[in-house]
Amino acid sequence: GQQLNQSPQSMFIQEGEDVSMNCTSSSIFNTWLWYKQDPGEGPVLLIALYKAGELTSNGRLTAQFGITRKDSFLNISASIPSDVGIYFCACLRIQGAQKLVFGQGTRLTINP
Amino acid sequence: EAQVTQNPRYLITVTGKKLTVTCSQNMNHEYMSWYRQDPGLGLRQIYYSMNVEVTDKGDVPEGYKVSRKEKRNFPLILESPSPNQTSLYFCASSSGGRRQFFGPGTRLTVL
Repeated sequence: GQQLNQSPQSMFIQEGEDVSMNCTSSSIFNTWLWYKQDPGEGPVLLIALYKAGELTSNGRLTAQFGITRKDSFLNISASIPSDVGIYFCACLRIQGAQKLVFGQGTRLTINP
Repeated sequence: EAQVTQNPRYLITVTGKKLTVTCSQNMNHEYMSWYRQDPGLGLRQIYYSMNVEVTDKGDVPEGYKVSRKEKRNFPLILESPSPNQTSLYFCASSSGGRRQFFGPGTRLTVL
C-alpha cells in the first residue's frame, strides 16, 4: 500500500514566490526521486538523490535526502508560470529493487 | 527520438469488454512498468517486468494482466474491466530502475 506521505497536497502561490514541499515515510529507502507532471503528460524526473544527507540542485530546484533516509524535501525558488503542475516524490524500495512507490502529489498553482 | 508510446490515449468502454493498452519503448530498456494514477493517491504500480518473460506484481495487480514477449513491448490487459478501473494509466521504462521514462498516459473510462 501507500507508504509515502507528501505535503502539502496543493499550493496556490504568487509568481516569484519560493515553494517548499516534503515527503515522509515510515520505512527507510535508499533512493529518493522527485518528478513533475505537466497537464496531460506523464511524469518527468527532476532530481534523483542516492545518499542520506545529499543536497542536489537543478537550476531553481533544490532537493535533499533526509539523514534518516525517511524523508526528503523539494524547494523551488522564484517560481514562474511554467512551474505549474503536480510534483511527486518517489522511492525505490530496498527489497525488489525495481519497485517504485509514489507520494500522493503536490499540485502547484501559480497566480501571475 | 527516445520515447515511450502508449495506445490508445483515450478509451471509453463498457463493463466486461476485454481491452488491451499497448506500450512500446525504443530505448532498449530492460525494465518496464505499468502504473495507475488516481486523485489523492498518486501513482500506484500495477505490474512490472525486469526483462523478457519476467514479470511481477506491483501494489495493485488485481484485475490486470501483462505480458513481455519482446523487449520493447509491454501490453496491459484488462480481461473484464470494471468501473473501479476507470483511471489514468502510465507505462514507464528504464535501464536500471532509477530513472524511469514515462509514456503520455491512457485515460480509461469503464461504464
